[in-house]
Amino acid sequence: GENVEQHPSTLSVQEGDSAVIKCTYSDSASNYFPWYKQELGKRPQLIIDIRSNVGEKKDQRIAVTLNKTAKHFSLHITETQPEDSAVYFCAAQKTSYDKVIFGPGTSLSVIP
Amino acid sequence: DAGVIQSPRHEVTEMGQEVTLRCKPISGHDYLFWYRQTMMRGLELLIYFNNNVPIDDSGMPEDRFSAKMPNASFSTLKIQPSEPRDSAVYFCASSLSPARDTQYFGPGTRLTVL
Repeated sequence: GENVEQHPSTLSVQEGDSAVIKCTYSDSASNYFPWYKQELGKRPQLIIDIRSNVGEKKDQRIAVTLNKTAKHFSLHITETQPEDSAVYFCAAQKTSYDKVIFGPGTSLSVIP
Repeated sequence: DAGVIQSPRHEVTEMGQEVTLRCKPISGHDYLFWYRQTMMRGLELLIYFNNNVPIDDSGMPEDRFSAKMPNASFSTLKIQPSEPRDSAVYFCASSLSPARDTQYFGPGTRLTVL
């Protein structure tokens, strides 16, 4: 079955710097890759997603890139702010009928 | 829409007791998921339903866990008997279709088994 790995497990950056979180997946048939943000004590919430027919997607300060050949995808956050501090989960899914497989999460701390 | 509703928000019980967690998905969503989150194991999918039918329960840890979805607007996750290692936050989520819509998570139930 699908396996999703995520690095780093923890990340600290200075406010204003960029943060990059990388994920790899094992099943080449996966074609949907969402990213979830979970603030302390809150529920996970989707922040951005990308499908296999797209190499990059941006939404304001957040961008995701996908390399299907290498089977890895990354989350980029620019101009980080303290409110970006949270745990970020990447995930992968094959078809509409398959379950989404989550990575182990990255705890991001943005230092003011 | 009120979003996914879970109850109770917090549950403290003693080892051996039965625990029932409840979830009301977003109206119209045909997929419902139960997750367990712990520091050690992260976010684990326990079971998911499509149109009230269990599709994949391979994540259910053992026979002490069971889940039902008697109708489109209600699901339960039951642990009987509960053990201290079951202490975790349990999330319910729903979606229209896993590949074409977001999974909307509920606020979670924090379960503590003493």
